[in-house]
Amino acid sequence: GEDVEQSLFLSVREGDSSVINCTYTDSSSTYLYWYKQEPGAGLQLLTYIFSNMDMKQDQRLTVLLNKKDKHLSLRIADTQTGDSAIYFCAESRGGYQKVTFGTGTKLQVIP
Amino acid sequence: DSGVTQTPKHLITATGQRVTLRCSPRSGDLSVYWYQQSLDQGLQFLIQYYNGEERAKGNILERFSAQQFPDLHSELNLSSLELGDSALYFCASSKGSSGALYGYTFGSGTRLTVV
Repeated sequence: GEDVEQSLFLSVREGDSSVINCTYTDSSSTYLYWYKQEPGAGLQLLTYIFSNMDMKQDQRLTVLLNKKDKHLSLRIADTQTGDSAIYFCAESRGGYQKVTFGTGTKLQVIP
Repeated sequence: DSGVTQTPKHLITATGQRVTLRCSPRSGDLSVYWYQQSLDQGLQFLIQYYNGEERAKGNILERFSAQQFPDLHSELNLSSLELGDSALYFCASSKGSSGALYGYTFGSGTRLTVV
């Protein structure tokens, strides 16, 4: 079955790096995503990675995928107060398969 | 502005009532997805429509129904409302029948409060 798990809360100081972790159970997952939800807003796609990749970097964001352990992480370098939000990990097997979201990790950035 | 429009933004109604939530997808997107976000259940997939036809069904209650119209906007109908239906309802859209490749574009949601 499909299950995506995340820790509920993370607190970091401004300027530090944040690492948000996610585990998933579906070994058929082909696409893995990170979404950001700011207060009062919908989810915004931050980045995605295909299962045949180990790492993807996009400016301050680095996504690491350990397919063997079914573990996905999102690293935010030089975390800013504007990064405070809920971050959702998600996975899909592609094709007509739906996207399954994790429970979300609330990131609090302390000035 | 993501390009996905949801109305109304807020809705307060009594138990037993029926409401309709509306979604206009981003221009060019053919698929519409409905999600329910509540504190205890997280983000739950309800249903997907692609070009007017139901494509996938998730944890949608029988009291809930949806449709997608020829102009591609979608409506989610919630009836016999219960207190537990209070949640944020999100609509998302994607170009193709699967949002898997490039992800979804989400609207800002409708907050439903059942009293």
